[in-house]
Amino acid sequence: SQLAEENLWALSVHEGESVTVNCSYKTSITALQWYRQKSGEGPAQLILIRSNERDNRNGRLRATLDTSSQSSSLSITATRCEDTAVYFCATDPQGGRALIFGTGTTVSVSP
Amino acid sequence: ETAVFQTPNYHVTQVGNEVSFNCKQTLGHDTMYWYKQDSKKLLKIMFSYNNKQLIVNETVPRRFSPQSSDKAHLNLRIKSVEPEDSAVYLCASSSDWGGDVQDTQYFGPGTRLLVL
Repeated sequence: SQLAEENLWALSVHEGESVTVNCSYKTSITALQWYRQKSGEGPAQLILIRSNERDNRNGRLRATLDTSSQSSSLSITATRCEDTAVYFCATDPQGGRALIFGTGTTVSVSP
Repeated sequence: ETAVFQTPNYHVTQVGNEVSFNCKQTLGHDTMYWYKQDSKKLLKIMFSYNNKQLIVNETVPRRFSPQSSDKAHLNLRIKSVEPEDSAVYLCASSSDWGGDVQDTQYFGPGTRLLVL
């Protein structure tokens, strides 16, 4: 079965610094989505990147996709304390009918 | 306000009891989902409904059953809960199932279940 997973359980940075979360997956996909889940809330989508795209941006966020290595990254620049959350990648498998969420990476941004 | 709403926020119950969680979306979406999130934050799809038709039913125990009255509501019933059912149950919705790429899923805040 397909597995998507982020490479690290947790990352800590200080406000203003940049942080990158990496994700790897194991089968062909049509797209990959990044979600953020803050404490006490449900996940919220940040960026969607299709399999024919290599790069997509949304404000301070940038997602990359490398289908040859089956990996993706999400970078956040100029981090803020409110960026503290769990970040998930979610793959959209070819022929599949449900998103497969990764294991999540906790990002902590301190003042 | 358009969003995904879940009730209750939190529920404590004992082994063997029956529980039911409600989910309503006011986004006009066609597809709704239930996920289970464990203590390690792992998210697993349980069910999804598209226009009142069950279209994904992962291998969840038979004591779990989704219930939908219309496309805006998808409830989750658990008959005879067990300790391993303690988790956060997240409801989500999306606008269309038929495209080549799955649409954004919008999540509710979750229902936290504790089984004693």
